[in-house]
Amino acid sequence: AQSVTQLGSHVSVSEGALVLLRCNYSSSVPPYLFWYVQYPNQGLQLLLKYTTGATLVKGINGFEAEFKKSETSFHLTKPSAHMSDAAEYFCAVSRDSASKIIFGSGTRLSIRP
Amino acid sequence: NAGVTQTPKFQVLKTGQSMTLQCAQDMNHNSMYWYRQDPGMGLRLIYYSASEGTTDKGEVPNGYNVSRLNKREFSLRLESAAPSQTSVYFCASSDRNSGANVLTFGAGSRLTVL
Repeated sequence: AQSVTQLGSHVSVSEGALVLLRCNYSSSVPPYLFWYVQYPNQGLQLLLKYTTGATLVKGINGFEAEFKKSETSFHLTKPSAHMSDAAEYFCAVSRDSASKIIFGSGTRLSIRP
Repeated sequence: NAGVTQTPKFQVLKTGQSMTLQCAQDMNHNSMYWYRQDPGMGLRLIYYSASEGTTDKGEVPNGYNVSRLNKREFSLRLESAAPSQTSVYFCASSDRNSGANVLTFGAGSRLTVL
């Protein structure tokens, strides 16, 4: 069965600093991996996804993630944090394009001025 | 283009009451999902439906039932609500034929059980 673990329920960085949100997955087959973002009092929207091909995936708002099979990781990064990045971020996994999607417990990102 | 529409947005129930959360999508997606979101727990899958006429249990199905009425609609029913079911519920859909399995979410339904 697929599962994801997000390390750190809360991450706080200074504006302009590197953002690193960690996600490790468990899957018996090459997974589909996703990062979703939830801004305060809103629903979730897709940041980026990995299905096949290039392991470095670029998403919206300057975020990117790298699929590392050897480390079973899909960490989310952004070189320079902006105040508008404050939100909750969720990593998710599915077996393939037609399978159920399982989410991690989420990481709340705070940005210090 | 409405996307995924959930009703109601807010509901307060007493323990033991029943209610149905409605969800409809207008994107011709095959798959539909119900998740619950609780602080520190992320989103947990309650039930999903890979196609019209099929439903499968997710991570936390106890206390819930679902109906995939047609391709557009996927309802979630609480037969006898309990305080532990106080949560924010999200419906979502995806196009399994797109090759990407990307979810489109509704705005959420906040349920309080007293």
